[in-house]
Amino acid sequence: QLQLQQSGPGLVKPSETLSLSCTVSHGSISNTNYWWGWIRQPPGKGLEWIGSIYYSGTTYYNPSVQSRVTISVDTSKNQFSLKVTSVTAADTAVYYCASQDYGGVDYWGQGTLVTVSS
Amino acid sequence: DIQMTQSPSSVSASVGDRVTITCRASQGVSSWLAWYQQKPGKAPKLLIYAASSLQSGVPSRFSGSGFGTDFTLTISSLQPEDFATYYCQQANSFPSITFGQGTRLEIK
Repeated sequence: QLQLQQSGPGLVKPSETLSLSCTVSHGSISNTNYWWGWIRQPPGKGLEWIGSIYYSGTTYYNPSVQSRVTISVDTSKNQFSLKVTSVTAADTAVYYCASQDYGGVDYWGQGTLVTVSS
Repeated sequence: DIQMTQSPSSVSASVGDRVTITCRASQGVSSWLAWYQQKPGKAPKLLIYAASSLQSGVPSRFSGSGFGTDFTLTISSLQPEDFATYYCQQANSFPSITFGQGTRLEIK
């Protein structure tokens, strides 16, 4: 079954850019059944969808963060990535990468706690 | 945007109890509704998809129902490992998705 492995720093300074990557194994990121998404969860709070990308590069973003977010895909590396610019303390959260199909989010990365602090 | 509202926000129950959690969408989502269980420090786990279909490997004491705007997750006989936080999620506007705010299920 699919495995998603996240990588990236756990500490980012205010006003800088948060960057995370997610490598897919035991499956192809070009699988036409899946979209690849990022979801975050501030400490002690609920889940917020950030955005999703198809293997072709088509993206959808949550309007609440759309102006600061870019999701990209690298099919040669079986990997997709998240960038969030101009971060503030409100962006402190556990970030998850995930696979989405119409049924739901069935595979999740391990989660990365990203803290925005100087 | 479709908003998802869960009730109650928290519930206390005992092992063996039957528990029902509800989820209401701000507009119709057909059957595009999923339920998740999340334990502290872990990623959410998909329990139910398409409103009432049980994900592979999930115990049959979990069931889902509903269509349109009103949905329920029922746990027929609570087990100790079921104490967790539960989220609903709509996928009517897939791949754009929205989660409910969560329901914490606590031991009485």
